[in-house]
Amino acid sequence: QLRLQESGPGLVKPSETLSLTCTVSGGSISSSSSYWAWIRQPPGKGLEWIGTVYYSGSTYYNPSLKSRLTISTDTSKNHLSLSLSSVTAADTAVYYCARHRYSGYALDAFDIWGQGTMVTVSS
Amino acid sequence: AIQLTQSPSSLSASVGDRVTITCRASQGISSALAWYQQSPGKTPKLLIYDASSLESGVPSRFSGSGSGTDFTLTISSLQPEDFATYYCQQINSYPLTFGGGTKVEI
Repeated sequence: QLRLQESGPGLVKPSETLSLTCTVSGGSISSSSSYWAWIRQPPGKGLEWIGTVYYSGSTYYNPSLKSRLTISTDTSKNHLSLSLSSVTAADTAVYYCARHRYSGYALDAFDIWGQGTMVTVSS
Repeated sequence: AIQLTQSPSSLSASVGDRVTITCRASQGISSALAWYQQSPGKTPKLLIYDASSLESGVPSRFSGSGSGTDFTLTISSLQPEDFATYYCQQINSYPLTFGGGTKVEI
């Protein structure tokens, strides 16, 4: 059973870099049927897609975050990472990782989610 | 970016009611749409993919329809555990986008 678990600091200072890891268990991050996504949700607000990565290194970023964002995978550790630089209070949110399922002919949906980790940007 | 507009933003309903939520895309997305349910304090849960395909394990009272720009999520008989916020998401093109959510309240 595939499971995802986010980890990282819960508090980041303004202008610094937010770094999170999502560990995949019960399956391989190198699976051909899986892409991997980061999504965030500010307190009391809706969902925002951050970006998607394939184990080969292909990445797709939200243009609104692209200049500050790096998403990568580490197949030896079976995890994916998110790095968001120059953070402000607007980056305060619950950050989720999720599997973006590939059905064989197309990507269809985020079928498995981590529990999420709250990150607060504050001095 | 493709914008998704959900309506209503909130609704009040009773157990046993039939509930319909609408999601309109700013341009055609074929059937590349998913629906998620998020209960308070919980992780989003996939309900429907490809606009009308029921995710494994999801009760059959949930159904989705539509293609192009107009989509609906229907709950045929609302159950107590269905009181939650529902989001649509387009998978047609990057950047992936979500609707603003519909909160279903008692």
